[in-house]
Amino acid sequence: NAGVTQTPKFQVLKTGQSMTLQCAQDMNHEYMSWYRQDPGMGLRLIHYSVGAGITDQGEVPNGYNVSRSTTEDFPLRLLSAAPSQTSVYFCASSPLRGPTGELFFGEGSRLTVL
Amino acid sequence: RKEVEQDPGPFNVPEGATVAFNCTYSNSASQSFFWYRQDCRKEPKLLMSVYSSGNEDGRFTAQLNRASQYISLLIRDSKLSDSATYLCVLPKSGGSYIPTFGRGTSLIVHP
Repeated sequence: NAGVTQTPKFQVLKTGQSMTLQCAQDMNHEYMSWYRQDPGMGLRLIHYSVGAGITDQGEVPNGYNVSRSTTEDFPLRLLSAAPSQTSVYFCASSPLRGPTGELFFGEGSRLTVL
Repeated sequence: RKEVEQDPGPFNVPEGATVAFNCTYSNSASQSFFWYRQDCRKEPKLLMSVYSSGNEDGRFTAQLNRASQYISLLIRDSKLSDSATYLCVLPKSGGSYIPTFGRGTSLIVHP
C-alpha cells in the first residue's frame, strides 16, 4: 500500500533557489495538506486543498505556492528559498467524508537551505 | 486560549510505569478527538480515536472529560518502545476542513 508518497526525502538548497516538493496519494482522498515542523513549534499548516482545483492558505503560507490539478497530486513550490524555510515538511491527506480528523502522512521531506 | 494545549514534557518514566498526559481544548463543540504518535524523525501516525467518553486499546486508554474540556492518554506498563511524542488532535468541525494539532508531549521511557 503506497498511501502518501513524498519526494525528495532530503534536499539541500542555496538561498534564492526554487524547488518543488512532490506529494502523491493513491487513496482518492479529497483533502490534502502541507505542514512544516520545526523544533518546539509543532506542526504548522502551510496550504491545503479540499479537491482538484481548490486550494487555500494555512497558518504559514508565505514563500510557498501550491496547485491541485488532480486528486492524487499536491506539489508544494518554494519560490525563492530562504534559510528560515529549513524544516521538515509533511504532506497529509484524508477523506472529507468518513472519520474526521484522521490524517495519513507521508514520510516527510527534510529541507536545508544554506 | 489556544485551541489545543499540551504539556511538552518530557515525561521521563521507568519501564513498567504508568504515565498519563492531558490535552485541553477550547472548542466545546468538539465531539471526537485523536491521539497521534510521532517517533523521532518520523511522520505522525494515528494511535487512537476518542469518541464519546473514551477508548481503550491494550495498554492505552484515552478518556474525554467534556465538563473540564480535556482528553487524557494513559499508558500502562510502559515499554522502551513507547518513547515518542504524542500529539493531541481536534478533528475538522464546524465547517472547517482543518484538523488542529497540539504541539505534542514527549515521553521517554528508560530502563
